[in-house]
Amino acid sequence: DQQVKQNSPSLSVQEGRISILNCDYTNSMFDYFLWYKKYPAEGPTFLISISSIKDKNEDGRFTVFLNKSAKHLSLHIVPSQPGDSAVYFCAGLHYGGSQGNLIFGKGTKLSVKP
Amino acid sequence: NAGVTQTPKFRVLKTGQSMTLLCAQDMNHEYMYWYRQDPGMGLRLIHYSVGEGTTAKGEVPDGYNVSRLKKQNFLLGLESAAPSQTSVYFCASSSGPSGYEQYFGPGTRLTVT
Repeated sequence: DQQVKQNSPSLSVQEGRISILNCDYTNSMFDYFLWYKKYPAEGPTFLISISSIKDKNEDGRFTVFLNKSAKHLSLHIVPSQPGDSAVYFCAGLHYGGSQGNLIFGKGTKLSVKP
Repeated sequence: NAGVTQTPKFRVLKTGQSMTLLCAQDMNHEYMYWYRQDPGMGLRLIHYSVGEGTTAKGEVPDGYNVSRLKKQNFLLGLESAAPSQTSVYFCASSSGPSGYEQYFGPGTRLTVT
């Protein structure tokens, strides 16, 4: 049972345009949602997060939107740059236990073309 | 600060061999995690630790053991490697539930033949 789903394995966008990466979830108990960015041969790095009680969080070129009724979130990158080319993972976090475990989606590979 | 480091970066094992992966963090984090990532899959949690001397099972713990004898180190052991354990292994740490952001190491690429 996949609790976090990223249904698009890949996305290609022209430099300067908007990139929209989507994520759906089934676990309504998630307290936070996080986006991680991963370059080849490196570990994931934290990008941006949103609390389940918010509907938007913005950090520079990156904005995450949360639609709780649809159990859907999206990451917007504006404007997209070639350096944004990476795999983006969406993750959900539930504090129900004490471990603070992240549940990851399978990732979306973003390619930003010059 | 080195952040989270992993040793080794690459390793090739034969079926049945054993090995230990070392993770070290210098951020004084309480929580540490071991994940594996397979092609086309997200990261899946193997084991985790909420403090020195404590460990717990994650989503895919079978075939692995862990130890957290020191706060800064988290070891992942494979007692009898199997080809199904060919994967990229990532260690991560976080300050705890209130600091939910996890910091990841660069990964260890393990091949079991």
